[in-house]
Amino acid sequence: GNSVTQMEGPVTLSEEAFLTINCTYTATGYPSLFWYVQYPGEGLQLLLKATKADDKGSNKGFEATYRKETTSFHLEKGSVQVSDSAVYFCASNTNAGKSTFGDGTTLTVKP
Amino acid sequence: DAGVIQSPRHEVTEMGQEVTLRCKPISGHNSLFWYRQTMMRGLELLIYFNNNVPIDDSGMPEDRFSAKMPNASFSTLKIQPSEPRDSAVYFCASRPAGTGPEKLFFGSGTQLSVL
Repeated sequence: GNSVTQMEGPVTLSEEAFLTINCTYTATGYPSLFWYVQYPGEGLQLLLKATKADDKGSNKGFEATYRKETTSFHLEKGSVQVSDSAVYFCASNTNAGKSTFGDGTTLTVKP
Repeated sequence: DAGVIQSPRHEVTEMGQEVTLRCKPISGHNSLFWYRQTMMRGLELLIYFNNNVPIDDSGMPEDRFSAKMPNASFSTLKIQPSEPRDSAVYFCASRPAGTGPEKLFFGSGTQLSVL
């Protein structure tokens, strides 16, 4: 079945540092891929998505590119802010409509 | 739109007690999902419904867990009897039928602590 593996956390960075959170997937076929963000005390919110190979999703300065050759969808941001502190989840969507989530990576950005 | 509404926000109970978590999906959303989030296991899908019908309950951990969706605007997740290892944050999410995760909206979760 489908699965998503993402970089273990927690990740602690200083403000304005470069962020990468790795995500790889296994799937039959070509799933759509997503990054969700969970701020403290809240549910998950969709951050960005990519539906086919070589697509780049972007939002709020975050980017991720769907790489079929490496089955990856790494999340990047060039300059993080304290307000980016949250838990980030990589997810894939199966044809049956179920979403498979990674375990989440906790990011803490210090001023 | 008020979004997905879950209640209670926090629940503290003693081992052996029955726990009922409630969810009101966004109006017009035909699919409803229950997730459990723990540090050890991350985010797990427990069960999901399409048009009030349970489609996949393979994630329900054991018979102590049950979920119902009596109508399009209400769902419950019940644990009976509860155990300390059930302590987690339980999320409800909904989306229109036939759409993907880009249309999936989560509630704020119920923090459950079983003592």
